[in-house]
Amino acid sequence: DTGVSQDPRHKITKRGQNVTFRCDPISEHNRLYWYRQTLGQGPEFLTYFQNEAQLEKSRLLSDRFSAERPKGSFSTLEIQRTEQGDSAMYLCASSLGGQGRNQPQHFGDGTRLSIL
Amino acid sequence: AQSVSQHNHHVILSEAASLELGCNYSYGGTVNLFWYVQYPGQHLQLLLKYFSGDPLVKGIKGFEAEFIKSKFSFNLRKPSVQWSDTAEYFCAVSPYSGTYKYIFGTGTRLKVLA
Repeated sequence: DTGVSQDPRHKITKRGQNVTFRCDPISEHNRLYWYRQTLGQGPEFLTYFQNEAQLEKSRLLSDRFSAERPKGSFSTLEIQRTEQGDSAMYLCASSLGGQGRNQPQHFGDGTRLSIL
Repeated sequence: AQSVSQHNHHVILSEAASLELGCNYSYGGTVNLFWYVQYPGQHLQLLLKYFSGDPLVKGIKGFEAEFIKSKFSFNLRKPSVQWSDTAEYFCAVSPYSGTYKYIFGTGTRLKVLA
């Protein structure tokens, strides 16, 4: 178990720029999740994938946000035209699941995004 | 809307004191329940989980939690804390309704004084 890996750890960018984050889940995990965490809050769900299919998206995920998991392995989260309010820690998690099963999620270290 | 409440935002204890952190959720159906811990500079780690069966669950590092369905609660306990338990603790709920997302509480920051 090498853990969930996220890259980069920190990203500083100017308002209006596009950013992309990568997440590599634990290799045998078929489910992958993205969360966002702001100061003083718990993680908030953004979206999740089962294999390559994006099965659920939160209303927090505006049109500027897009996530992909093209081959059912790693995932990318892109934010276009970043805004000040996008400053947060973006967390990725993965889990192993089957029909009706909901195994614990394993979290990565996160990518901290700061918008100047 | 589904939500999770953690009423204690900051807790300060001396070593060997007992700990109880509250967690209440709002969801009428079947749920899976979790406590995660985040040590300074580290990622979220699972402390314990409840899926079904015995409502008293034991986790790592001497932690336990009790699921009381009638109170929609899943409180975390430890009889004697150590300085190394200084961390932030998050309660999470996953409604058993075809979604696998977690709904987290706002977290409780625990500081244990040596």
